[in-house]
Amino acid sequence: AQSVTQPDIHITVSEGASLELRCNYSYGATPYLFWYVQSPGQGLQLLLKYFSGDTLVQGIKGFEAEFKRSQSSFNLRKPSVHWSDAAEYFCAGVFGNEKLTFGTGTRLTIIP
Amino acid sequence: DGGITQSPKYLFRKEGQNVTLSCEQNLNHDAMYWYRQDPGQGLRLIYYSQIVNDFQKGDIAEGYSVSREKKESFPLTVTSAQKNPTAFYLCASSIGTGWVGLFFGSGTQLSVL
Repeated sequence: AQSVTQPDIHITVSEGASLELRCNYSYGATPYLFWYVQSPGQGLQLLLKYFSGDTLVQGIKGFEAEFKRSQSSFNLRKPSVHWSDAAEYFCAGVFGNEKLTFGTGTRLTIIP
Repeated sequence: DGGITQSPKYLFRKEGQNVTLSCEQNLNHDAMYWYRQDPGQGLRLIYYSQIVNDFQKGDIAEGYSVSREKKESFPLTVTSAQKNPTAFYLCASSIGTGWVGLFFGSGTQLSVL
Protein backbone atom coordinates (compact mmCIF):
# COMPACT_ATOMS: atom_id res chain seq x y z
CA ALA A 1 0.00 0.00 0.00
CA GLN A 2 1.07 3.56 -0.59
CA SER A 3 2.56 5.32 2.40
CA VAL A 4 4.55 8.30 3.61
CA THR A 5 7.24 7.82 6.24
CA GLN A 6 8.94 10.46 8.34
CA PRO A 7 11.67 8.57 10.19
CA ASP A 8 12.52 11.33 12.67
CA ILE A 9 9.97 11.96 15.41
CA HIS A 10 11.88 14.87 16.96
CA ILE A 11 14.84 16.94 15.77
CA THR A 12 16.74 19.62 17.66
CA VAL A 13 18.76 22.22 15.78
CA SER A 14 20.69 25.28 16.89
CA GLU A 15 19.47 28.63 15.65
CA GLY A 16 21.34 29.57 12.49
CA ALA A 17 22.23 25.98 11.65
CA SER A 18 21.03 24.17 8.55
CA LEU A 19 18.06 21.82 8.62
CA GLU A 20 17.03 18.73 6.73
CA LEU A 21 13.82 16.83 7.51
CA ARG A 22 13.43 13.44 5.91
CA CYS A 23 10.44 12.08 4.04
CA ASN A 24 10.16 8.81 2.16
CA TYR A 25 7.26 7.41 0.22
CA SER A 26 6.20 4.03 -1.04
CA TYR A 27 4.60 4.08 -4.49
CA GLY A 28 5.31 2.62 -7.92
CA ALA A 29 5.01 5.91 -9.78
CA THR A 30 5.63 9.59 -9.03
CA PRO A 31 3.18 10.95 -6.48
CA TYR A 32 2.19 14.50 -5.75
CA LEU A 33 4.17 15.50 -2.65
CA PHE A 34 3.67 18.22 -0.05
CA TRP A 35 5.23 19.66 3.08
CA TYR A 36 3.04 21.31 5.70
CA VAL A 37 3.97 23.12 8.92
CA GLN A 38 1.88 23.28 12.08
CA SER A 39 2.45 25.63 15.03
CA PRO A 40 1.10 24.44 18.40
CA GLY A 41 -2.69 24.57 18.58
CA GLN A 42 -2.99 25.76 15.00
CA GLY A 43 -3.93 24.39 11.63
CA LEU A 44 -1.54 23.27 8.91
CA GLN A 45 0.06 25.65 6.43
CA LEU A 46 1.34 24.49 3.06
CA LEU A 47 5.09 25.13 2.68
CA LEU A 48 5.62 23.71 -0.79
CA LYS A 49 4.45 21.10 -3.27
CA TYR A 50 5.85 18.92 -6.04
CA PHE A 51 3.81 17.68 -8.98
CA SER A 52 6.36 17.20 -11.76
CA GLY A 53 9.25 18.91 -13.52
CA ASP A 54 12.12 20.55 -11.67
CA THR A 55 13.00 18.28 -8.76
CA LEU A 56 14.10 21.16 -6.52
CA VAL A 57 11.09 23.14 -5.37
CA GLN A 58 11.09 26.40 -3.48
CA GLY A 59 8.52 27.20 -0.85
CA ILE A 60 7.58 29.86 1.61
CA LYS A 61 9.61 30.93 4.65
CA GLY A 62 12.90 30.08 2.93
CA PHE A 63 12.25 26.33 2.71
CA GLU A 64 13.04 24.09 -0.23
CA ALA A 65 12.63 20.39 -0.95
CA GLU A 66 14.24 18.01 -3.38
CA PHE A 67 12.45 15.11 -5.02
CA LYS A 68 14.71 12.10 -5.58
CA ARG A 69 12.99 9.33 -7.49
CA SER A 70 15.85 6.88 -7.00
CA GLN A 71 15.56 7.21 -3.23
CA SER A 72 11.77 7.67 -3.06
CA SER A 73 12.45 10.75 -0.98
CA PHE A 74 11.26 14.33 -0.69
CA ASN A 75 13.42 15.92 2.00
CA LEU A 76 12.79 19.41 3.31
CA ARG A 77 15.73 21.78 3.79
CA LYS A 78 16.50 25.22 5.09
CA PRO A 79 20.01 26.71 5.10
CA SER A 80 19.65 28.65 8.36
CA VAL A 81 16.83 28.12 10.85
CA HIS A 82 15.22 30.80 12.98
CA TRP A 83 13.61 30.35 16.39
CA SER A 84 10.23 30.91 14.70
CA ASP A 85 10.71 27.73 12.66
CA ALA A 86 10.04 25.61 15.75
CA ALA A 87 6.91 23.64 14.87
CA GLU A 88 5.69 20.27 13.65
CA TYR A 89 6.33 19.41 10.03
CA PHE A 90 4.25 16.97 8.01
CA CYS A 91 5.08 15.38 4.70
CA ALA A 92 2.10 14.21 2.64
CA GLY A 93 1.44 12.58 -0.70
CA VAL A 94 -1.29 11.90 -3.22
CA PHE A 95 -0.83 8.55 -4.94
CA GLY A 96 -2.80 8.27 -8.19
CA ASN A 97 -6.45 8.96 -7.49
CA GLU A 98 -6.18 8.11 -3.82
CA LYS A 99 -6.68 10.36 -0.84
CA LEU A 100 -4.01 12.63 0.63
CA THR A 101 -1.82 10.54 2.95
CA PHE A 102 0.12 12.18 5.78
CA GLY A 103 3.28 11.10 7.52
CA THR A 104 3.32 11.06 11.31
CA GLY A 105 5.21 14.34 11.56
CA THR A 106 8.57 15.60 12.80
CA ARG A 107 8.71 17.99 15.73
CA LEU A 108 11.42 20.61 15.33
CA THR A 109 12.98 22.27 18.37
CA ILE A 110 15.33 25.23 17.99
CA ILE A 111 17.93 25.94 20.66
CA PRO A 112 19.62 29.32 21.03
CA ASP B 1 -10.01 37.97 3.94
CA GLY B 2 -10.85 34.53 2.66
CA GLY B 3 -10.31 31.56 4.89
CA ILE B 4 -11.71 28.73 6.93
CA THR B 5 -13.29 29.36 10.30
CA GLN B 6 -13.60 26.59 12.84
CA SER B 7 -15.58 27.05 16.02
CA PRO B 8 -15.40 26.70 18.88
CA LYS B 9 -11.67 26.65 19.57
CA TYR B 10 -12.21 24.44 22.64
CA LEU B 11 -15.13 22.11 23.29
CA PHE B 12 -15.99 19.79 26.14
CA ARG B 13 -18.25 16.77 25.86
CA LYS B 14 -20.07 14.93 28.61
CA GLU B 15 -20.71 11.18 28.56
CA GLY B 16 -23.47 10.25 26.15
CA GLN B 17 -23.60 13.68 24.57
CA ASN B 18 -23.42 14.55 20.89
CA VAL B 19 -21.44 17.65 19.99
CA THR B 20 -21.12 19.54 16.72
CA LEU B 21 -18.01 21.24 15.40
CA SER B 22 -18.52 24.05 12.96
CA CYS B 23 -16.50 24.64 9.78
CA GLU B 24 -17.23 27.51 7.42
CA GLN B 25 -15.21 28.62 4.38
CA ASN B 26 -15.53 31.69 2.17
CA LEU B 27 -12.96 30.58 -0.40
CA ASN B 28 -15.57 29.20 -2.81
CA HIS B 29 -13.82 25.85 -2.59
CA ASP B 30 -15.60 22.77 -3.88
CA ALA B 31 -14.23 20.14 -1.52
CA MET B 32 -14.14 20.04 2.26
CA TYR B 33 -12.53 17.61 4.68
CA TRP B 34 -12.44 16.66 8.35
CA TYR B 35 -9.30 15.27 9.95
CA ARG B 36 -8.58 14.01 13.44
CA GLN B 37 -5.15 14.57 14.98
CA ASP B 38 -3.85 12.71 18.02
CA PRO B 39 -0.45 13.39 19.63
CA GLY B 40 2.37 11.56 17.86
CA GLN B 41 0.17 10.54 14.96
CA GLY B 42 -0.43 11.99 11.57
CA LEU B 43 -3.77 13.30 10.42
CA ARG B 44 -6.50 10.74 9.90
CA LEU B 45 -9.37 11.41 7.54
CA ILE B 46 -12.86 11.25 9.04
CA TYR B 47 -15.14 12.42 6.21
CA TYR B 48 -14.86 14.42 3.03
CA SER B 49 -17.25 16.09 0.62
CA GLN B 50 -16.47 16.98 -2.95
CA ILE B 51 -19.85 18.47 -3.79
CA VAL B 52 -22.89 19.82 -1.97
CA ASN B 53 -25.28 17.17 -0.64
CA ASP B 54 -22.71 14.43 -1.04
CA PHE B 55 -20.00 13.13 1.28
CA GLN B 56 -17.82 10.09 1.69
CA LYS B 57 -16.46 8.20 4.67
CA GLY B 58 -12.78 8.45 5.35
CA ASP B 59 -10.59 6.05 7.29
CA ILE B 60 -12.13 6.58 10.75
CA ALA B 61 -15.77 7.57 10.18
CA GLU B 62 -17.30 5.42 12.93
CA GLY B 63 -18.88 7.55 15.64
CA TYR B 64 -18.99 10.67 13.49
CA SER B 65 -21.53 12.22 11.13
CA VAL B 66 -21.47 15.15 8.71
CA SER B 67 -23.73 17.15 6.41
CA ARG B 68 -23.05 19.36 3.41
CA GLU B 69 -26.19 21.36 2.75
CA LYS B 70 -24.29 24.45 1.64
CA LYS B 71 -21.03 24.84 -0.23
CA GLU B 72 -19.60 27.00 2.54
CA SER B 73 -20.40 24.77 5.48
CA PHE B 74 -19.36 21.27 6.55
CA PRO B 75 -20.25 20.62 10.22
CA LEU B 76 -19.00 17.53 12.02
CA THR B 77 -21.01 15.84 14.76
CA VAL B 78 -19.16 13.68 17.25
CA THR B 79 -21.76 11.23 18.49
CA SER B 80 -21.95 9.31 21.76
CA ALA B 81 -20.87 6.24 19.79
CA GLN B 82 -17.37 7.71 19.50
CA LYS B 83 -15.83 6.31 22.68
CA ASN B 84 -12.52 8.13 22.46
CA PRO B 85 -13.34 11.58 21.12
CA THR B 86 -10.55 13.58 22.78
CA ALA B 87 -8.46 14.93 19.91
CA PHE B 88 -7.67 17.98 17.82
CA TYR B 89 -10.04 18.26 14.86
CA LEU B 90 -9.03 20.01 11.67
CA CYS B 91 -11.26 21.11 8.82
CA ALA B 92 -9.81 21.75 5.37
CA SER B 93 -10.97 22.73 1.92
CA SER B 94 -9.60 22.64 -1.61
CA ILE B 95 -10.50 24.35 -4.84
CA GLY B 96 -10.86 21.11 -6.76
CA THR B 97 -11.46 17.50 -5.95
CA GLY B 98 -8.00 16.13 -6.57
CA TRP B 99 -6.72 16.21 -3.00
CA VAL B 100 -4.16 18.88 -3.79
CA GLY B 101 -3.61 22.23 -2.18
CA LEU B 102 -5.62 21.69 1.00
CA PHE B 103 -6.21 24.84 3.04
CA PHE B 104 -6.71 24.24 6.77
CA GLY B 105 -8.65 25.92 9.52
CA SER B 106 -7.12 26.56 12.95
CA GLY B 107 -8.72 23.55 14.61
CA THR B 108 -10.99 22.60 17.49
CA GLN B 109 -9.70 20.82 20.59
CA LEU B 110 -12.36 18.44 21.90
CA SER B 111 -12.04 17.02 25.39
CA VAL B 112 -14.22 14.72 27.47
CA LEU B 113 -15.43 15.88 30.90
